[in-house]
Amino acid sequence: GQQLNQSPQSMFIQEGEDVSMNCTSSSIFNTWLWYKQEPGEGPVLLIALYKAGELTSNGRLTAQFGITRKDSFLNISASIPSDVGIYFCAGQLIQGAQKLVFGQGTRLTINP
Amino acid sequence: EAQVTQNPRYLITVTGKKLTVTCSQNMNHEYMSWYRQDPGLGLRQIYYSMNVEVTDKGDVPEGYKVSRKEKRNFPLILESPSPNQTSLYFCASRTSFAGNTIYFGEGSWLTVV
Repeated sequence: GQQLNQSPQSMFIQEGEDVSMNCTSSSIFNTWLWYKQEPGEGPVLLIALYKAGELTSNGRLTAQFGITRKDSFLNISASIPSDVGIYFCAGQLIQGAQKLVFGQGTRLTINP
Repeated sequence: EAQVTQNPRYLITVTGKKLTVTCSQNMNHEYMSWYRQDPGLGLRQIYYSMNVEVTDKGDVPEGYKVSRKEKRNFPLILESPSPNQTSLYFCASRTSFAGNTIYFGEGSWLTVV
């Protein structure tokens, strides 16, 4: 099946640093989603992107839908300890469709 | 409170012993899905359902069955579990409207020995 290439797989940073992660695909997606998963819980939606070139913020989080529709990035500014978790990108070929393809995840660890 | 509830949360079972993981949502959502999460592979869709009695295969359906007899429930059935089905399983639901949030359950850790 299709898969998104998400990088990096893991990050170890100091509190206060900025974080950047991205996803790429050989296929075009019409929706890009970013999720965060904390231990013992299911993924929770952070940001949804619906248009190529769209740049959306949610507090300290900023995500962009690549112009080519084949990539997206997520930035976290001024990281804090509660940002720890696994971040997943996900793409939908058709908006509103059931099919959702996930990246492999980026595990974020923060040293206080 | 909007919820997707999975049971059991943790299970250790033996190869070949049929098991069912239940999933229930209280949001009257049309769409429900099952995913498995494995290290380095992210979440992969097993089966999905677009409404009652409408189900279809996802990316990794082999070894699994589902049913959707009621809108709120979407059980995942492993008829003859094997060790390669040891994984973390998530049920998810959402409405049929584009852009609506997908709600995930808390996950079910399944170990097949």
